[in-house]
Amino acid sequence: DAGVTQSPTHLIKTRGQQVTLRCSPKSGHDTVSWYQQALGQGPQFIFQYYEEEERQRGNFPDRFSGHQFPNYSSELNVNALLLGDSALYLCASSASGQGNHEQFFGPGTRLTVL
Amino acid sequence: AQTVTQSQPEMSVQEAETVTLSCTYDTSESDYYLFWYKQPPSRQMILVIRQEAYKQQNATENRFSVNFQKAAKSFSLKISDSQLGDAAMYFCARWGPEKLVFGKGTKLTVNP
Repeated sequence: DAGVTQSPTHLIKTRGQQVTLRCSPKSGHDTVSWYQQALGQGPQFIFQYYEEEERQRGNFPDRFSGHQFPNYSSELNVNALLLGDSALYLCASSASGQGNHEQFFGPGTRLTVL
Repeated sequence: AQTVTQSQPEMSVQEAETVTLSCTYDTSESDYYLFWYKQPPSRQMILVIRQEAYKQQNATENRFSVNFQKAAKSFSLKISDSQLGDAAMYFCARWGPEKLVFGKGTKLTVNP
């Protein structure tokens, strides 16, 4: 079982650019959530995807968007990058109907905006 | 805002000794889940232990146990027989609704 995988591992962009991060969920999982973890902080919820739709969204601007594919993998897109978008982006997967709400995390993508 | 508070930014413990990490939370739900996650320098967030709020019995996983005080909204993590591999950031998190809400974390150092 490969667990949750994310790509790329690291990414460097400049202000104003756009970025796409990718996530493959753990086998058997159909729900993907994205979190932003700034340096020295706990992760902050961005949004969650289930059945290819955004089901829940945190307090993030519309510059942050996502997509879920039929194979349950997901992308996080960030437009018009700001310096403050520099962070570790974590993807977490879970199985709908699993009552314990346990989420499995990927290793993250470290985004640096210059 | 429904928050999770970890009041200890950093803690240290001697190898083989016991340490307790504190966490308090806010929620308006009557049924919810609480978690402790470990994040080593490798960045991978690893689930340490889970507590269901409707269960009065404190969860235990090997050397890790919790002290869950529902009325006080307190959820502390006790690590017994600390090992060098326990050194990491520890995050307390509450589930709900439809997302995990994390505290700011406690950095645990284990001294040999």
